[in-house]
Amino acid sequence: KAGVTQTPRYLIKTRGQQVTLSCSPISGHRSVSWYQQTPGQGLQFLFEYFSETQRNKGNFPGRFSGRQFSNSRSEMNVSTLELGDSALYLCASSAGTPNTEAFFGQGTRLTVV
Amino acid sequence: AQSVTQLGSHVSVSEGALVLLRCNYSSSVPPYLFWYVQYPNQGLQLLLKYTSAATLVKGINGFEAEFKKSETSFHLTKPSAHMSDAAEYFCAVTANYGGSQGNLIFGKGTKLSVKP
Repeated sequence: KAGVTQTPRYLIKTRGQQVTLSCSPISGHRSVSWYQQTPGQGLQFLFEYFSETQRNKGNFPGRFSGRQFSNSRSEMNVSTLELGDSALYLCASSAGTPNTEAFFGQGTRLTVV
Repeated sequence: AQSVTQLGSHVSVSEGALVLLRCNYSSSVPPYLFWYVQYPNQGLQLLLKYTSAATLVKGINGFEAEFKKSETSFHLTKPSAHMSDAAEYFCAVTANYGGSQGNLIFGKGTKLSVKP
């Protein structure tokens, strides 16, 4: 059974640009969540998508957005990148129902210069 | 609102010694609690979870945690540390009642070092 796949693994972008990260969940999983991990703030929840609908949203500015496709694959987009957006972005997939485990991908390391 | 606090950003133990990583939670509803481990340049792996069944939860790799409501704690222990246990450990609680792991609130993490 394939795990959660995040692409790309590493990314370097310039301040002001935009970026799109991709997450392919485990087959059959309908929930995809995104987290930002930084040394200063730790792991912070960005948003969760379930069956193509945003179900929960964290406290991040509107520059951070996401979507989910009918095959449950998800993308997150960050526009007008800032230096502070440099982080490890983690995606987690689960069945999306109570008491089901979330499985994490290896993450995308974004560096903004 | 739910939150978790991990006491100690770094813990160092000798190989074979007891591992104790501390986590306290704050929750307005019965919590669902988790411990995750993260190895360098990797994602998170679930070690164990508390979902209101048994208060003593056994996980993978010999880890276990005990839910203590009176102390609002969910500390992670392992009787004998192994070099391969060196990693960062995160305690987490579901943000919403019901246990869906789609929205987790994490502690700041504890880096465990194991000395030979």
